[in-house]
Amino acid sequence: GAGVSQTPSNKVTEKGKYVELRCDPISGHTALYWYRQSLGQGPEFLIYFQGTGAADDSGLPNDRFFAVRPEGSVSTLKIQRTERGDSAVYLCASSMGAGPTDTQYFGPGTRLTVL
Amino acid sequence: AQRVTQPEKLLSVFKGAPVELKCNYSYSGSPELFWYVQYSRQRLQLLLRHISRESIKGFTADLNKGETSFHLKKPFAQEEDSAMYYCALSPHNFNKFYFGSGTKLNVKP
Repeated sequence: GAGVSQTPSNKVTEKGKYVELRCDPISGHTALYWYRQSLGQGPEFLIYFQGTGAADDSGLPNDRFFAVRPEGSVSTLKIQRTERGDSAVYLCASSMGAGPTDTQYFGPGTRLTVL
Repeated sequence: AQRVTQPEKLLSVFKGAPVELKCNYSYSGSPELFWYVQYSRQRLQLLLRHISRESIKGFTADLNKGETSFHLKKPFAQEEDSAMYYCALSPHNFNKFYFGSGTKLNVKP
């Protein structure tokens, strides 16, 4: 079956621009996570959705970052006024639920480059 | 503050040798611990989780609460084990995951 998909796979933008990154989770998965992975580092938690609501957004670095999941399926991570430090791979993961035996399935990531 | 530390960026062993990838954590509570793996040109995927007490592809991990460690071990490394390994921690409500910086395992023939 189809796994988690993310679009675009690569995004190059200029400093100060606005970008949107999309995540299509596995059908039926209620939990969705966004992470940011900088070069040489592990994934850094950004936000967790349970259904349509952001259950934990404590990882968002500042108010330039925002994410939505209006229908409890597709999610969009939005970054305003991009900075060079935002350059990273943005990963999305989904799981059936958020329990001890639920497995996160990761997407391939979107590589964002801010020039 | 919560933290996951993987002290080795790179670990090289010969095929058939034992391997141990180190993971130490700090967390105010009793978290759940995981190991994730990323093979070349593949997605990040779960390898094993402490709560299941499982052995996957010959790998096991023991949680030592006294030393706050969750080292990953395999008695006889195989070339196909070469990959990037990440240790991760989650609170009991699984609302977030904290990852270490990863260890690249290189198994030489």
